[in-house]
Amino acid sequence: AQTVTQSQPEMSVQEAETVTLSCTYDTSESDYYLFWYKQPPSRQMILVIRQEAYKQQNATENRFSVNFQKAAKSFSLKISDSQLGDAAMYFCAYRTSNTGNQFYFGTGTSLTVIP
Amino acid sequence: GAVVSQHPSRVICKSGTSVKIECRSLDFQATTMFWYRQFPKQSLMLMATSNEGSKATYEQGVEKDKFLINHASLTLSTLTVTSAHPEDSSFYICSARITTGNSPLHFGNGTRLTVT
Repeated sequence: AQTVTQSQPEMSVQEAETVTLSCTYDTSESDYYLFWYKQPPSRQMILVIRQEAYKQQNATENRFSVNFQKAAKSFSLKISDSQLGDAAMYFCAYRTSNTGNQFYFGTGTSLTVIP
Repeated sequence: GAVVSQHPSRVICKSGTSVKIECRSLDFQATTMFWYRQFPKQSLMLMATSNEGSKATYEQGVEKDKFLINHASLTLSTLTVTSAHPEDSSFYICSARITTGNSPLHFGNGTRLTVT
């Protein structure tokens, strides 16, 4: 299994401010996909953003953007203009490019948004 | 689109009994589905990859005889927890993806299993 590491178990941010969540991964593959998922208290997993490893350009989805550093095997998530609804567990995920296409998840970061 | 339905959302069973959890892709065909287990405040642990029409592939350390997976059609996979024990109590989540490019995983709402 691939290893995905999130070194920040908990983070907090003031409403309207910016926060960055860290993620690193270990792989010998050159082609793969990376994702950030959000899990609110309902426990429903919600896709936040995705990145293909072969793309150098960092993905952006509205207030969410990533900083993908392939050589460093780093994939951080930046949330701008944080909103109360952003409070959740955030999981970084790695998808292999082999036949199984399995997804492996990091340990998660619990984000608190302070009003 | 890409909705995954999981049933039941909650189940309580007695030790020694078996419990079946269903996972359906409602508006797409899924040749592959994935079953995860999540302990409180922890990450999702991949248990197995369910392949339509063939045997599931289990991750290391997951007992295939305890967690039976059947993927009989392109829209349905089932996970049966056999001879359940209290330590099997957990949150189980199924997922599936449309098999194109960078398509993400779509998740069911999960099943909270409590074994008494």
